[in-house]
Amino acid sequence: GESVGLHLPTLSVQEGDNSIINCAYSNSASDYFIWYKQESGKGPQFIIDIRSNMDKRQGQRVTVLLNKTVKHLSLQIAATQPGDSAVYFCAENNWRDGGKLIFGQGTELSVKP
Amino acid sequence: DTGVSQDPRHKITKRGQNVTFRCDPISEHNRLYWYRQTLGQGPEFLTYFQNEAQLEKSRLLSDRFSAERPKGSFSTLEIQRTEQGDSAMYLCASSLVGTEYSGNTIYFGEGSWLTVV
Repeated sequence: GESVGLHLPTLSVQEGDNSIINCAYSNSASDYFIWYKQESGKGPQFIIDIRSNMDKRQGQRVTVLLNKTVKHLSLQIAATQPGDSAVYFCAENNWRDGGKLIFGQGTELSVKP
Repeated sequence: DTGVSQDPRHKITKRGQNVTFRCDPISEHNRLYWYRQTLGQGPEFLTYFQNEAQLEKSRLLSDRFSAERPKGSFSTLEIQRTEQGDSAMYLCASSLVGTEYSGNTIYFGEGSWLTVV
């Protein structure tokens, strides 16, 4: 079936290091992808998005890479800070399927000071 | 605050009671979504509205659940005869949908926690 999944359920990094969170998706019809950050007890917070006609997009300290050939998405966080500690979800979106998001299970990022 | 607003943030109810959650989307957003999230899992789609029209309902949305968006602005999600399995965080989200090429960035509220005892 269609699904979005994450390779690693937990990731622990040292403060100042770069973090890479990976995500695999299986629906080749998905045309839009979003990364969300979710802190404990809060709703998902939009981080960055990318459309399927792009392979890379950069934001402030974050970069999303999309490899449609292998249906893989990654989120890179530069100079990871303690405030980056949270669960990160990737989500896929298909315009022709009503634009609703399909989420994976999430990766918990823990930043050690 | 111009984000998605949800009320109440926390609700504890006895099994069998009815509960209602309210969502106020970002102003002028034409699409509104409801999701449910349990601990350790990603949000699961429940239903969505385009303006006042409910366009899709997930199989997760049993007949005890009903959602409305009467004037195309705020929305309510009602759960009747609550069960312990309904305990979860109910998330509302909204977006401004234009054309296929304009994107559909979906913004979430802080969620409404439901505990059924």
